[in-house]
Amino acid sequence: RKEVEQDPGPFNVPEGATVAFNCTYSNSASQSFFWYRQDCRKEPKLLMSVYSSGNEDGRFTAQLNRASQYISLLIRDSKLSDSATYLCVVNTGTDKLIFGTGTRLQVFP
Amino acid sequence: EAQVTQNPRYLITVTGKKLTVTCSQNMNHEYMSWYRQDPGLGLRQIYYSMNVEVTDKGDVPEGYKVSRKEKRNFPLILESPSPNQTSLYFCASSLSPSSYEQYFGPGTRLTVT
Repeated sequence: RKEVEQDPGPFNVPEGATVAFNCTYSNSASQSFFWYRQDCRKEPKLLMSVYSSGNEDGRFTAQLNRASQYISLLIRDSKLSDSATYLCVVNTGTDKLIFGTGTRLQVFP
Repeated sequence: EAQVTQNPRYLITVTGKKLTVTCSQNMNHEYMSWYRQDPGLGLRQIYYSMNVEVTDKGDVPEGYKVSRKEKRNFPLILESPSPNQTSLYFCASSLSPSSYEQYFGPGTRLTVT
């Protein structure tokens, strides 16, 4: 089983739609969780950290479920500019980060 | 401007010809790492460094070397490149790997023929 798993997609959604991605992790000792965004052939950039209490940043909401070992990302009112690959990133308590393979989102007009 | 720079951005080379990809950051970060990204496999860590003169293997270190003689620089060395090292490489830095944002360089697209 992979340490971090994501549905690769693509998720094709119309503008204005709400879309949600999940990411599961296998190590119950994992301590830190992040969502990164990566545009085609560009470097990943931090979208948001994921806190135990959940957090929201504008149209984006991230949640952590430790019992079921998954994190989620909800995007409301999707924009064309949201089209990208979203990477789930987990720190397992060591000095390394584990990256998921990413979920591709395509927002169409 | 806070940034991570990599050079070269694109490189086509032949099997066995030693090459170095440079990485430099201007944020005084202690933690630096190298990743390769391949379709379907995502980002995989090659090597990381917690501080000057402290380096450690990541998940796919075979065929690569690194050094950390200065805080700002973390070059990736391929002593004898092979075609299976054709990939997109990213350097990253942060205050620590656990709770802080990773800043990535723009990437180096390497093709080994």
